[in-house]
This record gives sequence, C-alpha cells and structure tokens, in this order.
Amino acid sequence: GAGVSQSPRYKVAKRGQDVALRCDPISGHVSLFWYQQALGQGPEFLTYFQNEAQLDKSGLPSDRFFAERPEGSVSTLKIQRTQQEDSAVYLCASSLRLEQYFGPGTRLTVT
Amino acid sequence: ELKVEQNPLFLSMQEGKNYTIYCNYSTTSDRLYWYRQDPGKSLESLFVLLSNGAVKQEGRLMASLDTKARLSTLHITAAVHDLSATYFCAPPGGSNYKLTFGKGTLLTVNP
Repeated sequence: GAGVSQSPRYKVAKRGQDVALRCDPISGHVSLFWYQQALGQGPEFLTYFQNEAQLDKSGLPSDRFFAERPEGSVSTLKIQRTQQEDSAVYLCASSLRLEQYFGPGTRLTVT
Repeated sequence: ELKVEQNPLFLSMQEGKNYTIYCNYSTTSDRLYWYRQDPGKSLESLFVLLSNGAVKQEGRLMASLDTKARLSTLHITAAVHDLSATYFCAPPGGSNYKLTFGKGTLLTVNP
C-alpha cells in the first residue's frame, strides 16, 4: 500500500520568501507529526495532530512556522519569511497506534 | 527535558564482526523505537520496544530495552555491508508520542 508522501521533495527559497510543504499521510492514520532534521542530526519534533486537532505545537521554532490539517488528512507546514537557519529536511510521519511511519521528507534550502 | 545519548556516534566494522550500539536516555520512558536511515533517505522503522526487558530480533539485528537503567542496545551480529546506515534510537517523552531522537550512529561495514 501507499506510504506517507511529501511534496515537493526539494525546495529552494530565497531568504524572506514563504514556503508551503505538503504531507499526505497513510490513509486512515489518525496521528500526524512533523519533524525537522538538520544536516548530521537526528530529527526534532515540531508538531502533532490528532485528526484535524493540533494537540502539540511545542516544537515549532518560531511564530513564522505554522501547520494545519483542516480535514484530518493532508497536512501543510508553512514557513513565513524563511531564514537561512530554516534550511533542513522536513519529515512528516503518520501513525495509527504506536509506530510512526515517515515520509521521504522535503529538503528546504534557503539562500 | 528528555536527553538521548547514543554511543558510539561513528562505527566502522569489518564484515562478519559483532558490535553493540548503546542508547541512554535521561527520563523515564516505557517504550523506545529504533530507526534506520540510509543517506538521503527517510527513516525506516526497525523495532518498537514496549516494555522493560523487551527483546526483539530481525535478521542480524537485535534490540533490547532496560527501562530501569534507561538503556537500550542494538546488537549487530556478523555484520554485512548492507547494514551500513545511520541508526537512531528514539524514546518518546512523557507525552508518549513526541519522539526524541539521539544524534544517530553512523555505521560503516567494510568488506
């Protein structure tokens, strides 16, 4: 069956631009997570949704980061006024129970 | 704040040898996840360890969890080149969903 998909796979943005990253979770998965992975590091938690409710956004680094999942399926992570320190791979994961299944990630490069 | 420490961070092995990767974490967690990541790829779930004393094996990899010692191990038996990858351990924090990843262990298996 289909896994978690993310688009775009690569995104280059000029500093100050807004970007939107999309995540399509595995069908039927209630929980959805966003993580940020800097080069050479482990992923860091950003935010968590259960259906359409954003239950935890404690990992979002600043108010420039915003995530939504309006219909409890597809999710979008938006970054406003991108900065160079936002350059990273953004990973989406979905879960039905205990195990989190990760998508391929979006590599964001801010120039 | 949950801290996760993996040792070693870099591991170069010869094929056929055995070795153990250690994962220590700072606060109580009743479960722990191990993931594998190939260069430029996403994370692949290896093991979900759900209780103290849990041991799981898949092929040449065996993982264990000691919640009292806050320690998990990933043992590699008779390594083969295909095992070359970065391995992450990730206990969830008190929330039970927010995975906190270690820095990862970059394993290189040489012929």
